[in-house]
Amino acid sequence: EVQLVESGGGLVQPGGSLRLSCAASGFTFKSHPMHWVRQAPGKGLEYVSSITSDGGNTYDANSVKGRFTISRDNSNNTLYLQMDNLRPEDMAVYYCARRSSYSGTYYSDYWGQGTLVTVSS
Amino acid sequence: QSVLTQPPSASGTPGQRVTISCSGSSSNIGSNTVNWYQQLPGTAPKLLIYTNSQRPSGVPDRFSGSKSGTSASLAISGLQPEDEADYYCEARDDSLNAYVFGTGTKVTVL
Repeated sequence: EVQLVESGGGLVQPGGSLRLSCAASGFTFKSHPMHWVRQAPGKGLEYVSSITSDGGNTYDANSVKGRFTISRDNSNNTLYLQMDNLRPEDMAVYYCARRSSYSGTYYSDYWGQGTLVTVSS
Repeated sequence: QSVLTQPPSASGTPGQRVTISCSGSSSNIGSNTVNWYQQLPGTAPKLLIYTNSQRPSGVPDRFSGSKSGTSASLAISGLQPEDEADYYCEARDDSLNAYVFGTGTKVTVL
């Protein structure tokens, strides 16, 4: 059974840092690109960051560029999101999602349960 | 701020057909495929439709997707009470070099 379990969320002051983790199991982690997606309270889904299967390429939304860093450890089946210089507008539930492909196109076929990040003084 | 526009809400009675639109541009829907996700209250999103019209195993065949030009649609035929949820489209945007989600549509079963 595919499982994605996020952890690391919590309360942090503006300007602070947090590192989120996403533990993957039930599939060959190193074969799949991964995404982080967030959802502010009462709002819609927002793409945050993505990483290729080998970790060689990463992409970030403009809203987090230069502040967030996505990475992965394929030997430990874990995805990370290092979040620095956090702002109140970063407050959200953060989901990790597995990307799979069909005919060269990609989609998120499994999602974690999410971890809440609260940015407040 | 999303580049993919969806109606905020849609509704229908059980058994009715409901259609949700997702409007984009040539840099996203016009040149890439569309995925759809269902988010039940208090839960994580779930893949509903991928690559415009493909249904994952386990998704009822009352859900269908289509794409034409710079727009995509999700149709729910034979609406059920358990379909009450938020629905989001997703596509890659070549100009942004990133994936984008639609604004989301809340479906209410009357």
